[in-house]
Amino acid sequence: DAKTTQPPSMDCAEGRAANLPCNHSTISGNEYVYWYRQIHSQGPQYIIHGLKNNETNEMASLIITEDRKSSTLILPHATLRDTAVYYCIVRLPGFGNNNDMRFGAGTRLTVKP
Amino acid sequence: NAGVMQNPRHLVRRRGQEARLRCSPMKGHSHVYWYRQLPEEGLKFMVYLQKENIIDESGMPKERFSAEFPKEGPSILRIQQVVRGDSAAYFCASSTLDGYGYTFGSGTRLTVV
Repeated sequence: DAKTTQPPSMDCAEGRAANLPCNHSTISGNEYVYWYRQIHSQGPQYIIHGLKNNETNEMASLIITEDRKSSTLILPHATLRDTAVYYCIVRLPGFGNNNDMRFGAGTRLTVKP
Repeated sequence: NAGVMQNPRHLVRRRGQEARLRCSPMKGHSHVYWYRQLPEEGLKFMVYLQKENIIDESGMPKERFSAEFPKEGPSILRIQQVVRGDSAAYFCASSTLDGYGYTFGSGTRLTVV
């Protein structure tokens, strides 16, 4: 499995963009980058995923470097409710593969008023 | 379309009793994954099942823990002779056959007294 490295914690001012980095230098060609978050002991919540191209949805944007060795999750206008632990996961889904998500320590994002 | 349903939400057991945790996957999902989260720790993968088959149980403790996903009904995580160290949040996720749509439930919080 490719491993990921994330800073243990970050702060962000409310209303500003939160940029959460993730290193995945050993990612293989067909592995996707997934982001989940866990708000105060709730079940992890899917945010976004991507393979090569940048992705955007209603929650966030995902920027993947051209060499795919790192990525950044962007929450464009962070609110207090975005305070959570954010997990970056590299995974190869597909029939016949081990499909489970393996979680690291993640980044604890604290959005401050 | 209901999400992943876990019950009970909270479970209290005395030391030595059995705990049964249930997980109903999302409609259309054939695979179930169980995770454990000890207090102030990250999510640890336990087991990955499809109906009537365990695919990967590499994260399951060797004793007292078992999981099943019968042809009919929910997946069950069973903990026999619980000890205080089993107190944790147990999360279930489900996905399609090829690992897409990976969604978590709200968890069961087990307290052993």
